[in-house]
Amino acid sequence: SYELTQTPSVSVSPGQTASITCSGTKLGDKSVSWYHQTPGQSPVLVIYETFRRPSAIPARFSGSSSGNTATLTISGTQALDEADFYCQAWDNDNAIFGGGTKLTVL
Amino acid sequence: QVTLRESGPALIKPRQTLTLTCSFSGFSLRTNGLCVTWIRQPPGKAPEWLARIDWDDAKYYNTSLKTRLSISEDTSNSQVVLTMANMDTVDTATYYCARTTRPGPAAAYFDYWGQGILVTVSS
Repeated sequence: SYELTQTPSVSVSPGQTASITCSGTKLGDKSVSWYHQTPGQSPVLVIYETFRRPSAIPARFSGSSSGNTATLTISGTQALDEADFYCQAWDNDNAIFGGGTKLTVL
Repeated sequence: QVTLRESGPALIKPRQTLTLTCSFSGFSLRTNGLCVTWIRQPPGKAPEWLARIDWDDAKYYNTSLKTRLSISEDTSNSQVVLTMANMDTVDTATYYCARTTRPGPAAAYFDYWGQGILVTVSS
């Protein structure tokens, strides 16, 4: 079955750039979504179709993909960005989620 | 304004069948490209996709769980119902429904989520 692999944790200083990666076989050929989740809250879509951003999401969030890796980049990271991030793609009509990356802003 | 709300039992016994209802507003499931999806998330773990029903009534299920799942729509009440048979303690999770926008065959994203309902399986 298809799998998406994420680094369990990433740390970044306020104002710096955070990169969260997601790996899967030929992931660059798929449409990737990214979700942000804070404790006790529902996930929120931050990137869809690999690089598109919902209108309510700040421009500091961006997405890219190439080969087997998709990347969520957060520029000028703020303390309120601290959360769990999940990548998601489709394979054989099944949605697959990555294991999640905990972003710590310190 | 798009909203979704899950309802159902908070506690269910092993081997029973879980029935969850997603009540939604602000969109029509008859709109081309719109779907409703069920997703669950065990405590401290990543989300797991369960099932999806599309605007044309096509239905898709998690390959590993498909024998236990059924998804259906009550158009008149803007509701989508998920049933999951033979519940086990490992099925304890927060269950979410989400509006899904599907612009193409292999591209769909979950753009609005309900608040989720925690379902505990215990005798």
